[in-house]
Amino acid sequence: AQSVTQLDSQVPVFEEAPVELRCNYSSSVSVYLFWYVQYPNQGLQLLLKYLSGSTLVKGINGFEAEFNKSQTSFHLRKPSVHISDTAEYFCAVSVEGSNYKLTFGKGTLLTVNP
Amino acid sequence: GAVVSQHPSWVICKSGTSVKIECRSLDFQATTMFWYRQFPKQSLMLMATSNEGSKATYEQGVEKDKFLINHASLTLSTLTVTSAHPEDSSFYICSASSGVNNEQFFGPGTRLTVL
Repeated sequence: AQSVTQLDSQVPVFEEAPVELRCNYSSSVSVYLFWYVQYPNQGLQLLLKYLSGSTLVKGINGFEAEFNKSQTSFHLRKPSVHISDTAEYFCAVSVEGSNYKLTFGKGTLLTVNP
Repeated sequence: GAVVSQHPSWVICKSGTSVKIECRSLDFQATTMFWYRQFPKQSLMLMATSNEGSKATYEQGVEKDKFLINHASLTLSTLTVTSAHPEDSSFYICSASSGVNNEQFFGPGTRLTVL
């Protein structure tokens, strides 16, 4: 079975600073990787996804992530954050033949301070 | 983009009553729908997977007689919490997949409070 580890439960940063949210996964088969953002009392919004091809994936709101197979990682980055980026971020993995079932990490709360 | 709606967005009910939550895919046909439960400050826990026209597949530890799931059409799935109790209070989120690109689209969630 697959699993996802988000190493940081909380990440506080100052506005306009760069940020990296870490995500590692475990799976014995090929994976598809996703990052979602959740604002308070809302559902999940897809930031970006890796299905195949280029390992550097660009998403919405200036976020990007790099798939590193050897390190089984899919870290999320943004070069300059805004107050509005304050939210919970979830990394998720899906594997072939799983009927598209997602396994989520525990989430990282990104807090951007002025 | 693909849009998924949920109704109601929040509901308060008395202990012992049943509550139905609807999940609709508004602009695509959802061959598979998923129901998640999220406790405060925690991650999403998959409750069940439903394919249109067939019985839902429940995750281990989820009571199928308590959480009734129906996926009667390609655009609608319902979750009924039967004989709700305060411990069922939670944020319930559905998602839908058209089977393309292995992607799920999430609804906005339903906040259930059982008194």
